[in-house]
Amino acid sequence: EVQLVESGGGLVKPGSSLKLSCVASGFTFSSYGMHWIRQAPKKGLEWIALIYYDSSNKYYADSVKGRFTISRDNSKNTLYLEMNSLRSEDTAMYYCAKGVPYFDYWGQGVMVTVSS
Amino acid sequence: DVVMTQTPVSLSVSLGGQVSISCRSSQSLVHNNGNTYLSWYLQKPGQSPQLLIYKVSNRFSGISDRFSGSGSGTDFTLKISRVEPDDLGVYYCGQGTQYPYTFGAGTKLELK
Repeated sequence: EVQLVESGGGLVKPGSSLKLSCVASGFTFSSYGMHWIRQAPKKGLEWIALIYYDSSNKYYADSVKGRFTISRDNSKNTLYLEMNSLRSEDTAMYYCAKGVPYFDYWGQGVMVTVSS
Repeated sequence: DVVMTQTPVSLSVSLGGQVSISCRSSQSLVHNNGNTYLSWYLQKPGQSPQLLIYKVSNRFSGISDRFSGSGSGTDFTLKISRVEPDDLGVYYCGQGTQYPYTFGAGTKLELK
């Protein structure tokens, strides 16, 4: 059974940093591209980053480019999202998702709240 | 960026009824490789989204044949027949043809 479990969220102040993790199981993690997708409260879905299976390519939404970094450790079956210079508009549920170019499995999400 | 426009914003349906949701893209979703990467997702209340349909009309594993996708180019439709209580939630279309990947704003399916 495919499982994606996010962690690392919380309440942080504007301008601060946070690192999210997503531990994968039930599939060969090193063979699949992985994404981070977020959903602001009561809003729709926003794709924010993709990393290829071998980390050879990374893509970002303009809204996070230069502030967020996606990475992975295939030896640990873990996907990361390093978030810097956080803003109030980054407040959202963050999901990791498997698959390219559609998202066939999603984690349960982790909440990030940016507020002073 | 490819803008995905979903209509309607919300839909009321009786159990056992049929509904259609439209999704239009601002640019053709035909990839250079000839595939069209349009997918549909359902987010049930309090849950993560789940994949229903990929590449316009392919049902994901375990998805009922009551769900069907169609369309081409820039115009796509999701049809749900014999609506059941478990079908309620917000439906999103999404494109994976061009970066950045984008989603429609969602269509909320509610009981009449």
